Amino acid sequence: DADVTQTPRNRITKTGKRIMLECSQTKGHDRMYWYRQDPGLGLRLIYYSFDVKDINKGEISDGYSVSRQAQAKFSLSLESAIPNQTALYFCATSDRDRNDNEQFFGPGTRLTVL
Amino acid sequence: GQQVMQIPQYQHVQEGEDFTTYCNSSTTLSNIQWYKQRPGGHPVFLIQLVKSGEVKKQKRLTFQFGEAKKNSSLHITATQTTDVGTYFCAASGTGTASKLTFGTGTRLQVTL
Repeated sequence: DADVTQTPRNRITKTGKRIMLECSQTKGHDRMYWYRQDPGLGLRLIYYSFDVKDINKGEISDGYSVSRQAQAKFSLSLESAIPNQTALYFCATSDRDRNDNEQFFGPGTRLTVL
Repeated sequence: GQQVMQIPQYQHVQEGEDFTTYCNSSTTLSNIQWYKQRPGGHPVFLIQLVKSGEVKKQKRLTFQFGEAKKNSSLHITATQTTDVGTYFCAASGTGTASKLTFGTGTRLQVTL
């Protein structure tokens, strides 16, 4: 869905480097999420934010931090990347006023940590 | 934390055969959603089920929510090659409607 964009789309980095993944949305949604996807493990929630001043840890937040700079922007940081953070990362948004709670996903960022 | 088990992990069918994936939780769910992810793509929402025993249909896809709201299934009738992808269930616990726990997914391969 072009309304949710992620940059970069691919990134190769080295162990110990700091890296930031960015997510922007033009859908006007208040809720934003970061997931990682690993083969055979589905999607796991890293952090989520229900509003600009609201940040919550998900099930696998260790080693990650986030920043909600504006309603439209939600960034994920790896302060010191390690190889087991190699994964496909998805940002998603949702609208609290929708009854179906649909989440809209960005195209993903493939991160490789060497 | 909440866990959602999904089976099978992989299924290969001939075009025209039926397909079913199952999702199970040990706890009562507030609602359950289903997503489809095409190879190389991102998850796309299919449907949300909220009521106990609910059944919804979308063309060849039938979604069910169990009476106890602890399990769900997605059934595809007469699969087509366009059905190829990974199907995920995603569940919300009571009181946390927007926070989803995803199942591990079922990868469907359809051949002619």
